[in-house]
Amino acid sequence: DGGITQSPKYLFRKEGQNVTLSCEQNLNHDAMYWYRQDPGQGLRLIYYSQIVNDFQKGDIAEGYSVSREKKESFPLTVTSAQKNPTAFYLCASSRLVPGGVDIQYFGAGTRLSVL
Amino acid sequence: GQQLNQSPQSMFIQEGEDVSMNCTSSSIFNTWLWYKQDPGEGPVLLIALYKAGELTSNGRLTAQFGITRKDSFLNISASIPSDVGIYFCAGHGSGNTGKLIFGQGTTLQVKP
Repeated sequence: DGGITQSPKYLFRKEGQNVTLSCEQNLNHDAMYWYRQDPGQGLRLIYYSQIVNDFQKGDIAEGYSVSREKKESFPLTVTSAQKNPTAFYLCASSRLVPGGVDIQYFGAGTRLSVL
Repeated sequence: GQQLNQSPQSMFIQEGEDVSMNCTSSSIFNTWLWYKQDPGEGPVLLIALYKAGELTSNGRLTAQFGITRKDSFLNISASIPSDVGIYFCAGHGSGNTGKLIFGQGTTLQVKP
C-alpha cells in the first residue's frame, strides 16, 4: 500500500535524552513536513523539506532537528533542548506543483511523552 | 503572517442534524483544504478547493471556496456518530510556497 509510515506509535523520553521519530513515505513525493499538535490546538509546523539534503525551519523549530538524506525518509529528532516535548507529532508529504503546494497526506502520528 | 480563524471551536449535536463550520483568512488564499482527524490518528483529506466560488461535494459533505478568496465553509448533512472528530481547514496563499496554514480545528461530537 502507498502511504506514510510513522514509527513508533508511542514514545517515551527521559530527561536530557534525545529521541528520533521516524517518517517514511512511498508516494514519491518531493516535499515532507513535521507538525506538532497539542491538545485542543491546531497543527504547528516544525520543519519541512522540498528536496533531498535541504530543509527549512517552520514556526517552532527550536529544540528539534531533521535530516533528509533520502527522498523517502525525513526523521525528526527531539533534542534535550526541547523543554516541553510532550505532544502528538505528525509527518506529512506532498507533491510540489508550479506556484505552490499540493495536498498534504499525513501519517498516523507518534505520541511522545516525558517520563 | 497569514492566519486562519476557524469557527466554531466545538460543536455538540444530535444525530441527524446538519453541521456547518467555516474558516476566514486575513489574506487571499489560492487553495482551501478540509481535513478530518479521528482521535489518535493523522488528518485525512475530505475536500480540496482550487477556484474562487467552487462548490464541491463528497457524499454528505459540501465545501465552498469563498468568492473573496478569504473564506471557506464545510457543511455536513444528516450527521451520524462516525462523523465525530476534529475538522481542520487549511489553505495556501501566495508567497509561502510549500507551506499550508491550518485553522485551529472544530471538534464535533454527535449524540446518538
